[in-house]
Amino acid sequence: QLQLQESGPGLVKPSETLSLTCTVSGGSISSSSYYWGWIRQPPGKGLEWIGSIYYSGSTYYNPSLKSRVTISVDTSKNQFSLKLSSVTAADTAVYYCARAVRGVALFDYWGQGTLVTVSS
Amino acid sequence: DIQMTQSPSSLSASVGDRVTITCRASQGISNYLAWYQQKPGKVPKLLIYAASTLQSGVPSRFSGSGSGTDFTLTISSLQPEDVATYYCQKYNSAPHTFGQGTKLEIK
Repeated sequence: QLQLQESGPGLVKPSETLSLTCTVSGGSISSSSYYWGWIRQPPGKGLEWIGSIYYSGSTYYNPSLKSRVTISVDTSKNQFSLKLSSVTAADTAVYYCARAVRGVALFDYWGQGTLVTVSS
Repeated sequence: DIQMTQSPSSLSASVGDRVTITCRASQGISNYLAWYQQKPGKVPKLLIYAASTLQSGVPSRFSGSGSGTDFTLTISSLQPEDVATYYCQKYNSAPHTFGQGTKLEIK
């Protein structure tokens, strides 16, 4: 059974960089059939696609976040990561990692999510 | 960017009712439309993709239809476990926008 688990600091100071890692178990991140993505959800609000990555390193970002986002993959560790720079309180959200099928952003397996709060 | 607008934003229905949620895209997206269910405090779950294809394991009371700009999610007979917020999402091209959500409650 595929599992995804997000990890990283739950508290980040304004203007700093948010860094999260998603560890994939029960399947290979190097499968040619899938992309891997990040989605976030501010408390009490809706879902926002952040970006996706292929095992080869090809990335696809939400244009609204592109200038601040970097997604990378480490196939040796079966992990992919998110970095979001220059964070503000508006970046406070539950961050989910997920597997995408049939393209870049159709998500069929999700991690449990991790709350990241931006506050001094 | 293409906007995804759901209606209604919330609704209350009785067990056994037929429930319909609408999602409208500001431009045509063919059938690159998915529906997700998010129960309170839980992770989103993929229900339907390609506008009308049921994801494996999803009860058959859920169905989807539409193409182009107008899409619907229908629950044929509402069950108590269907209490959730439902999101549509376009996945044809970036940004892969979600609708704002429809909160479904039991009357």
